[in-house]
Amino acid sequence: GAVVSQHPSRVICKSGTSVKIECRSLDFQATTMFWYRQFPKQSLMLMATSNEGSKATYEQGVEKDKFLINHASLTLSTLTVTSAHPEDSSFYICSARAGVGGETQYFGPGTRLLVL
Amino acid sequence: EDQVTQSPEALRLQEGESSSLNCSYTVSGLRGLFWYRQDPGKGPEFLFTLYSAGEEKEKERLKATLTKKESFLHITAPKPEDSATYLCAVVNSGNTPLVFGKGTRLSVIA
Repeated sequence: GAVVSQHPSRVICKSGTSVKIECRSLDFQATTMFWYRQFPKQSLMLMATSNEGSKATYEQGVEKDKFLINHASLTLSTLTVTSAHPEDSSFYICSARAGVGGETQYFGPGTRLLVL
Repeated sequence: EDQVTQSPEALRLQEGESSSLNCSYTVSGLRGLFWYRQDPGKGPEFLFTLYSAGEEKEKERLKATLTKKESFLHITAPKPEDSATYLCAVVNSGNTPLVFGKGTRLSVIA
């Protein structure tokens, strides 16, 4: 099956710093990538959708200036949490959807962010 | 608005005790219904895609079926390693992002 990787798997940072999370599709080209956030024992919450070479589309209530998304190539998307605060601590998961017409989303292993 | 409802919220089974998880959905033109497995602290693992009513897919002890209103994930003779949260999601004809249900937390006791 299709493989999606994320790096880092977990990160601890101080309040006020920025953190970048990478998401890569390893064996397919992902025209669309998605970023989710998940709180303990809750379902996934979609944050934004990004198409390669275009600006990301953010869900209502998600601050685009705080969560910067870049999808510069067909295999890489990055999420940067700017000026992170303790309330940004969460589990962030990316997913990727293959080329034109593809509808199955494959998920990365997730990144655990802890902001102190 | 597309909606997915999963039941039960949690299910506890003895090893070998077969059961079914339910996923009811409303969607504006179903493009696909998906089942994922999620272990604690990990991203969802893709299991199945179903496209049309009457379709069935199997993988080891799991079998997914689809009608026009719901999908079932049948688990035959489960083992403790089947313990996980099972997520159901749909995509509509506009190929918008997945709409997830809240999941069913399955515990299989040896």
